[in-house]
Amino acid sequence: GDSVTQMEGPVTLSEEAFLTINCTYTATGYPSLFWYVQYPGEGLQLLLKATKADDKGSNKGFEATYRKETTSFHLEKGSVQVSDSAVYFCALTARYVFQKLVFGQGTRLTINP
Amino acid sequence: DVKVTQSSRYLVKRTGEKVFLECVQDMDHENMFWYRQDPGLGLRLIYFSYDVKMKEKGDIPEGYSVSREKKERFSLILESASTNQTSMYLCASSLAGYQETQYFGPGTRLLVL
Repeated sequence: GDSVTQMEGPVTLSEEAFLTINCTYTATGYPSLFWYVQYPGEGLQLLLKATKADDKGSNKGFEATYRKETTSFHLEKGSVQVSDSAVYFCALTARYVFQKLVFGQGTRLTINP
Repeated sequence: DVKVTQSSRYLVKRTGEKVFLECVQDMDHENMFWYRQDPGLGLRLIYFSYDVKMKEKGDIPEGYSVSREKKERFSLILESASTNQTSMYLCASSLAGYQETQYFGPGTRLLVL
C-alpha cells in the first residue's frame, strides 16, 4: 500500500540555520504530496502542496519539490525562526482515488534563539 | 476562513464507557474525516464520510463507529472505551475532489482509565 517515510526527529536547530526535513514515499500511480504543520496545542494546517512531478510548493519561506525520479518531497527553509518550532508531517493522497491522506510519522522541530 | 471545531479539547473516561466526540465545520464541505494521532505513528484514518448518512471505513475502524446526520456535523463514537483508545483525535473536512485540502480541528485528547 501507499506509505510515507519521514526523517526521524526530534530536530534541534539554532535560529537562522538552514532546515531540511527528508520525506520519501511509496505509491501506485501519481500521488499529490503535502506538508502539514502542527503548532503546539493546535490542529494540523496545510503548509504547502504539489500535485505533479517537478512542481514546487512554497509558503512562509518553506519549499518542497515533487521529485518523481527519487520519490521524494523534502521540506527546506533557508533561515528558520523560533516561531517555526512545531511538528511537521509529510503526506500523500492518491490520484483518482477517493481522497485519503497517508501521513508520515511526523518530525518535531525545535528552534533555539 | 474554514473553521472546524471539536466539542472537547480534553476528555477523561473510564473503561467500558460510551464516548461521543463531535466535530462541526462551517464551510459546507462534503467530506469529513476522523483520524487518531499517536507518537511515532503519525495520523491514521478511522472513518470518513463523503455525504450525509454516508460513511466508509478507514485504516483502523475497529472499536469505533460514526454518525453523520447533518452535513456540517460528524460524530465519532467509542461504543465501549478501552485503554488502547487513549489518543489524540483529529477531525478534518474538505470539499469533494481528490486534490482538495483537508482542514483540521484542534483535536480532542482522550484519556481512558
